[in-house]
Amino acid sequence: DGGITQSPKYLFRKEGQNVTLSCEQNLNHDAMYWYRQDPGQGLRLIYYSQIVNDFQKGDIAEGYSVSREKKESFPLTVTSAQKNPTAFYLCASSIRLAGGLNTEAFFGQGTRLTVV
Amino acid sequence: DAKTTQPNSMESNEEEPVHLPCNHSTISGTDYIHWYRQLPSQGPEYVIHGLTSNVNNRMASLAIAEDRKSSTLILHRATLRDAAVYYCILRSGGSNYKLTFGKGTLLTVNP
Repeated sequence: DGGITQSPKYLFRKEGQNVTLSCEQNLNHDAMYWYRQDPGQGLRLIYYSQIVNDFQKGDIAEGYSVSREKKESFPLTVTSAQKNPTAFYLCASSIRLAGGLNTEAFFGQGTRLTVV
Repeated sequence: DAKTTQPNSMESNEEEPVHLPCNHSTISGTDYIHWYRQLPSQGPEYVIHGLTSNVNNRMASLAIAEDRKSSTLILHRATLRDAAVYYCILRSGGSNYKLTFGKGTLLTVNP
């Protein structure tokens, strides 16, 4: 089935360790996104990428890093520089049609990261 | 980025229509109005989008004001499964891929 897959669903790490969250899509989408969601809050954009080997900072990029070496993959690394890494992380993708029309975004089921 | 404003929460009764408002007074001519909803502990899912004309699909209807400064998501008969956070966002039709969300409206559906 086509879709966007995030793994793992739950992740526990010790404080001070880097951790990488996986996001894979087989929808042939150009754009991919990473969001962070804290309890009772909306989604905040961390990084986004519109093409392979290119990505831009979102609103809360500090303490995070990404790569886009393949069209279908957009991993997010939460570094030790992120002061409050415990959160729900969501990955999304979307396609850009000819003429610049943005279509809907498809989301993964999220990874809940807990740092202890 | 053009911003949207939504009420923090709304309540509805099961099988009644629900009108979820969204203000976007700084919308530009190339911005599309998108709605998503998020069930607890899940990723958001797309609901509907439009540019100028009202839109209908199997999930909902989208009514867009003539001046495009506001819109309303209409759920014709709310069910308990419609209880979710609903996000109204603007997507540029230009070269900007950025996709940002606000806090959305928490919809509670009473049985």
